[in-house]
Amino acid sequence: DTEVTQTPKHLVMGMTNKKSLKCEQHMGHRAMYWYKQKAKKPPELMFVYSYEKLSINESVPSRFSPECPNSSLLNLHLHALQPEDSALYLCASSQRGAEPQHFGDGTRLSIL
Amino acid sequence: GQNIDQPTEMTATEGAIVQINCTYQTSGFNGLFWYQQHAGEAPTFLSYNVLDGLEEKGRFSSFLSRSKGYSYLLLKELQMKDSASYLCAVLNSGYSTLTFGKGTMLLVSP
Repeated sequence: DTEVTQTPKHLVMGMTNKKSLKCEQHMGHRAMYWYKQKAKKPPELMFVYSYEKLSINESVPSRFSPECPNSSLLNLHLHALQPEDSALYLCASSQRGAEPQHFGDGTRLSIL
Repeated sequence: GQNIDQPTEMTATEGAIVQINCTYQTSGFNGLFWYQQHAGEAPTFLSYNVLDGLEEKGRFSSFLSRSKGYSYLLLKELQMKDSASYLCAVLNSGYSTLTFGKGTMLLVSP
């Protein structure tokens, strides 16, 4: 079990659907991250939140919309996704940027 | 930008020692992480080097040479459960983000 909890574990959605991925940590970490990982590829950074403020957006398409309601929660809102967006979406957190990042188990997303 | 190289695949025998190398060229460097990732699971933190030298943690050790842009992960007394992908990741200066290498798939055989 990891200390970063992601829900749901699996998600199948159509290209017109709206859904949200959720991430929660109770380690008091102040930095939280969203990564996208395709099969047999390394994780690719999407967004970074630092002290609940968006600090980095790695040129991610607007169909992905992050939200940080409080210091323990991180959401990723999905709308009008494309089949190529099918991937494992990983959430991570760290005490500060220079500390090890702890990953959740991820949400495996399939777009039909 | 970042350029991180590590071998794509390695094989080793149970009980043996294996060394996974990582070279990097970066515009900013705040340290280097090693992660282990089993298929379908999340990456798990193994080690962090920010200064030159060797960090030892049980069966796993990691080495860093900043002047050479080089790190390695050493796994001793290999077990079947060590079969996994090993990711080298550079912590970038400035925003302190991680850039991952492509990962080394290690297969441990009996």
